[in-house]
Amino acid sequence: GQNIDQPTEMTATEGAIVQINCTYQTSGFNGLFWYQQHAGEAPTFLSYNVLDGLEEKGRFSSFLSRSKGYSYLLLKELQMKDSASYLCAVIGGSNYQLIWGAGTKLIIKP
Amino acid sequence: DVKVTQSSRYLVKRTGEKVFLECVQDMDHENMFWYRQDPGLGLRLIYFSYDVKMKEKGDIPEGYSVSREKKERFSLILESASTNQTSMYLCASSGSFSGANVLTFGAGSRLTVL
Repeated sequence: GQNIDQPTEMTATEGAIVQINCTYQTSGFNGLFWYQQHAGEAPTFLSYNVLDGLEEKGRFSSFLSRSKGYSYLLLKELQMKDSASYLCAVIGGSNYQLIWGAGTKLIIKP
Repeated sequence: DVKVTQSSRYLVKRTGEKVFLECVQDMDHENMFWYRQDPGLGLRLIYFSYDVKMKEKGDIPEGYSVSREKKERFSLILESASTNQTSMYLCASSGSFSGANVLTFGAGSRLTVL
């Protein structure tokens, strides 16, 4: 089967660093996305990884290890506005369809 | 900015009613998608379309149909709504079907079926 696992909820403190993990088991792999979704709003694109390694984009970085079926999203200098759900999605198999994790709700406390 | 607009943010319908959810995008994207989002589950693909008048079933097409008469508009139809179709429905679009294109989502339509 195809499966994406993420923690359901995480809590972190404003100004700190948090790492949100995503592990996947899919029949193929053609890339991995991270999206951010604030409550009641549309998911918005954060990052895309297709090769192993770390991609940095401002306060957010995303890491991929294809051999381990593992990715993480690293958020630095947390701000209250980072409170949101973070969705991991893998482009799997031969049909290039996205397989989505259930999302990680990140709560930022002052 | 690419915009994907879903006409109804909140709907309440009765079992057996026909429901139309409309989605319009303004960036000339070829591909459009309908997902449903339920607590504790990942987004599940209902239908998608990669061209006008073309449609493909996603993972959970049962109980739904779609229409794409114009490139910018993709409609989701529930022929006879049931309570298990109570959900958040998200429309999305992307620029080409190469597997690596970013999806742009609408804000969602929350449907409650009584």
